[in-house]
Amino acid sequence: DQQVKQNSPSLSVQEGRISILNCDYTNSMFDYFLWYKKYPAEGPTFLISISSIKDKNEDGRFTVFLNKSAKHLSLHIVPSQPGDSAVYFCAATAMRQNFVFGPGTRLSVLP
Amino acid sequence: DAGITQSPRHKVTETGTPVTLRCHQTENHRYMYWYRQDPGHGLRLIHYSYGVKDTDKGEVSDGYSVSRSKTEDFLLTLESATSSQTSVYFCAISDDSSYNSPLHFGNGTRLTVT
Repeated sequence: DQQVKQNSPSLSVQEGRISILNCDYTNSMFDYFLWYKKYPAEGPTFLISISSIKDKNEDGRFTVFLNKSAKHLSLHIVPSQPGDSAVYFCAATAMRQNFVFGPGTRLSVLP
Repeated sequence: DAGITQSPRHKVTETGTPVTLRCHQTENHRYMYWYRQDPGHGLRLIHYSYGVKDTDKGEVSDGYSVSRSKTEDFLLTLESATSSQTSVYFCAISDDSSYNSPLHFGNGTRLTVT
């Protein structure tokens, strides 16, 4: 039973437009949420995070939104660039011993 | 890049043989983790460590053991490799100086069990 779900295995977006990646979770104890980007043959790279006391966090082109009542978070990338093409993982944790990851969404940014 | 080195980067081994993967960090972080990545599953925690000689199991720990004799090294051992352990293995570290600290990952070890 997956505690963190990313229901879109893939997403294609035109360069310059907004990319929106979605993530749903089931465990109401999760209080820290993260997004990672992964290129082939490399390890996941930390992008941005948000704690449960906030509903939005911004870092440059990346913004994460958290809706606790819906147990949903999303990552917005504006504007999207070809270099953003990668697999994106959503992760969540409650006790910091275990960070639970979703299955990933493959983003393709088309020139 | 966080100072994390995984070795080997690639390994092919036969069913039933023991295998040890190594993770070395230069950040002096207390927390270290081993994850495996498989299609459709994301990353799943195998074992983690919160200090020298302090380790605990994750959600997919069966068939794996770990050891941490020094802060900088975290070893993952497959006692008797099986084909179901063919995967990409990632080591991660976390800074415990802040409660909300992200994981930082190494570049992975691709293990194939034939």
